[in-house]
Amino acid sequence: DIQMTQSPSSLSASVGDRVIITCRASQSVTTYLNWYQQKPGKAPKLLIYAASTLQRGVPSRFSGSGSGTDFTLTINSLQPEDFATYFCQQSYTLPTFGQGTRLDIK
Amino acid sequence: EVQLLESGGGLVQPGGSLRLSCVASGFTFDTSTMNWVRQAPGKGLEWVSVIDGSGRTVYAGSVEGRFTVSRDTSANTLYLQLNNLRADDTAMYYCAKDIFSGYDLGYWGQGTLVTVSS
Repeated sequence: DIQMTQSPSSLSASVGDRVIITCRASQSVTTYLNWYQQKPGKAPKLLIYAASTLQRGVPSRFSGSGSGTDFTLTINSLQPEDFATYFCQQSYTLPTFGQGTRLDIK
Repeated sequence: EVQLLESGGGLVQPGGSLRLSCVASGFTFDTSTMNWVRQAPGKGLEWVSVIDGSGRTVYAGSVEGRFTVSRDTSANTLYLQLNNLRADDTAMYYCAKDIFSGYDLGYWGQGTLVTVSS
């Protein structure tokens, strides 16, 4: 299995901040990398697929980059509704997820 | 509009069985790739199983031989049969549909909770 490691595991930020979450794969997944947002009691929501393609309806303050083994999710100008847990997932082989990054309000 | 609605969760004793269902609407179910993903309480996401448009199935190693995914295309329903359940199978189980490549999970149901406990 391909292992996915996110960092940090948690972070605190303020409305208006820029936040970067990283995800590293144990082997190359080319650009088969997706990012999800999950709020308490809700199903995950796909934000970005194929490393950098914004899912329809997702605000443009979210962006993704990377290829191979190293990826980033950037959230510009944090909004109150962005405080949630974020997961990366590789879809190069049978899916595996990162452990999650909890983003809360400072 | 794509909709996925799971049901069938509940409390079951170790070694017991359950069948989860996911009723789908808003897309062509019989040619779609459908996944099951679970999440233990307070934990991360774990992919469980997939069935593609041709009916091919694949399982995570942790459930291989105990869980079976199937579908009824006439009823637009996805199933997950859970046998020989263990305490570590306790989780919210979600069905999810891909958007392009099988495992980019753009559509999710609300989940159904399975609790394995004596």
